[in-house]
Amino acid sequence: AQSVSQHNHHVILSEAASLELGCNYSYGGTVNLFWYVQYPGQHLQLLLKYFSGDPLVKGIKGFEAEFIKSKFSFNLRKPSVQWSDTAEYFCAGPSQDNQGGKLIFGQGTELSVKP
Amino acid sequence: DVKVTQSSRYLVKRTGEKVFLECVQDMDHENMFWYRQDPGLGLRLIYFSYDVKMKEKGDIPEGYSVSREKKERFSLILESASTNQTSMYLCASSSSSGLAGGPLFFGEGSRLTVL
Repeated sequence: AQSVSQHNHHVILSEAASLELGCNYSYGGTVNLFWYVQYPGQHLQLLLKYFSGDPLVKGIKGFEAEFIKSKFSFNLRKPSVQWSDTAEYFCAGPSQDNQGGKLIFGQGTELSVKP
Repeated sequence: DVKVTQSSRYLVKRTGEKVFLECVQDMDHENMFWYRQDPGLGLRLIYFSYDVKMKEKGDIPEGYSVSREKKERFSLILESASTNQTSMYLCASSSSSGLAGGPLFFGEGSRLTVL
């Protein structure tokens, strides 16, 4: 069965450090890929999305992600994190049957940024 | 902005009680979803619906049922709550279907505790 997996469960960084969160998906067909963020006490928000075209996509708040088809990866990056980036990050992709537009999610990566 | 509203942010129920979780979206989306979110497990799909009166099982439907009588409303029902259903429940909607998948728009979540 297809899956979305995130490499890191918990990442701790100091402010201004660079961030890269790993995400791999197993479905090899046409994919739309997403990163969502959940700030403490808030609902899940879309951070960025890849549908097609340029494999480097830019999202809100300085985040970007690169789709590398040969590696089945869609890693999230930010050159310099801020304390306000402390949140949980989820990678998501379509289910293999794509019925009803449903997405499957990775396990989540909790990011803690120390001021 | 898309708004997905979940009726209850926090609920405490006793084992064996029937529980209703309501979700309403205001963007005329065809697709609606119920996920549960548990630490270390990410989001797991319980049920989804891609049209009024249509419902499909997700990955973990056991112990749950759903109802979609109107396009904007999608209800999750726990017929007889059990302690292992203590979790955060997230409702989402989207306008995509077919091969695309997502993006999903999420409500703020309903945290259910079953004693």
